Amino acid sequence: GAVVSQHPSWVICKSGTSVKIECRSLDFQATTMFWYRQFPKQSLMLMATSNEGSKATYEQGVEKDKFLINHASLTLSTLTVTSAHPEDSSFYICSATRVYGNTEAFFGQGTRLTVV
Amino acid sequence: ELKVEQNPLFLSMQEGKNYTIYCNYSTTSDRLYWYRQDPGKSLESLFVLLSNGAVKQEGRLMASLDTKARLSTLHITAAVHDLSATYFCAANTGNQFYFGTGTSLTVIP
Repeated sequence: GAVVSQHPSWVICKSGTSVKIECRSLDFQATTMFWYRQFPKQSLMLMATSNEGSKATYEQGVEKDKFLINHASLTLSTLTVTSAHPEDSSFYICSATRVYGNTEAFFGQGTRLTVV
Repeated sequence: ELKVEQNPLFLSMQEGKNYTIYCNYSTTSDRLYWYRQDPGKSLESLFVLLSNGAVKQEGRLMASLDTKARLSTLHITAAVHDLSATYFCAANTGNQFYFGTGTSLTVIP
């Protein structure tokens, strides 16, 4: 199966700093990548959808200036949490799809972000 | 918007017993997916169901899909402790994926 690598697996940062999370498709070209946030014991909440070379589409209630998404190539998308606060602490998961429509999503390992 | 509901939300069962998790979705979906998530980990793909009547089995887990009823089931046979995890179903239309609430399964020795 296709492999999606997410980095880092966990990160602890100070309030006010920015953190970048990378999501790479290792053996396929990802037309679309998705960023999710997951709170403890809850389902995945879609934050944004990014297509290579275009601006990300953010879900309602997600601040695009706070959660910067860049999808510069067909194998890499990045999520930058800017001016992080403790309430941004969460589990962030990316996924990638290979072909538009009727395709499977492959998930990264997830990133546990703790803001202190 | 496609809505996906799972039932039950929490499940505790003894080893050796059988049980079924249900996943209902509100409108036509391209595919139905089942995932497993262990604590602190990401999602592991279990099954992808493509068409009405599809049935897939892997070990003690069997998934089925009834597109007319908009229902998928994940059946657990003779549960073992290793199956303890949270199970999510998801449906997609085009490139949009919609996840169920998850079922937290605990298998008790």
